[in-house]
Amino acid sequence: QKEVEQNSGPLSVPEGAIASLNCTYSDRGSQSFFWYRQYSGKSPELIMSIYSNGDKEDGRFTAQLNKASQYVSLLIRDSQPSDSATYLCAVSGGYQKVTFGTGTKLQVIP
Amino acid sequence: DGGITQSPKYLFRKEGQNVTLSCEQNLNHDAMYWYRQDPGQGLRLIYYSQIVNDFQKGDIAEGYSVSREKKESFPLTVTSAQKNPTAFYLCASSRQGDHNEQFFGPGTRLTVL
Repeated sequence: QKEVEQNSGPLSVPEGAIASLNCTYSDRGSQSFFWYRQYSGKSPELIMSIYSNGDKEDGRFTAQLNKASQYVSLLIRDSQPSDSATYLCAVSGGYQKVTFGTGTKLQVIP
Repeated sequence: DGGITQSPKYLFRKEGQNVTLSCEQNLNHDAMYWYRQDPGQGLRLIYYSQIVNDFQKGDIAEGYSVSREKKESFPLTVTSAQKNPTAFYLCASSRQGDHNEQFFGPGTRLTVL
C-alpha cells in the first residue's frame, strides 16, 4: 500500500469550473499536509499547507483535511488554463520527513 | 531575493563518472533535502540534513553522497555506483519546527550518455 495515494488523472475540467483533487494517506500519525503545483519540466511550488481538520481557504484554493478518514483534498474555484499542471499531495509525520504522492494531472479546457 | 538555487540546470554525464550537483539557499533554513523525480513516480528522498556537519540517508541513498559544511550549501554527488542516475534532481529546504514546510529549488536534470 502506497503511503500517499492520488489518482494520476488526467482530470479535465472546463474553464471556470471547480476542480477537485483528492489524496489519501496511510499514516494516522501524520500532522502536516501540503499541496504543491508542478508545471511540466519545472520544480514543485508550495500552494497550500493545512494542519488541522476542516477547510483552509487562500484565494481560489481551498484545502480540506479529514484526519478521521485520512484524506486531504484541494478545490480550485474558477479554474483557469494556467492552473493546468500536476498537483502533488505531501504528508509529514514529523522528524523532517515528507512523503509525496505521484501527483494528479489537471487539464483546464478553455 | 531569498530563495534556493541549483546548478547546473542541465548536466550530461558519461557512464563511470562522478558528478556534483550544487544547491545553495539564502533563506536561513536549517534543514535541506535532496530528492529525485522519475516519470510517473513521486519524489523520492535521497539524503537530508538538519544541521551543519550532519546528514541522514533517505530512502534511496545508495550511489549518492552529500556534505553539509555550511548552513547555506548542500551539494549532492552522484557516483558511478548509482546504476540509473538519469533523473530530475530537486533540492529543498525548510525551517526547523515549521511543520516541515519545504520549498524547492529549480532542479537539475541529469542525463547519462
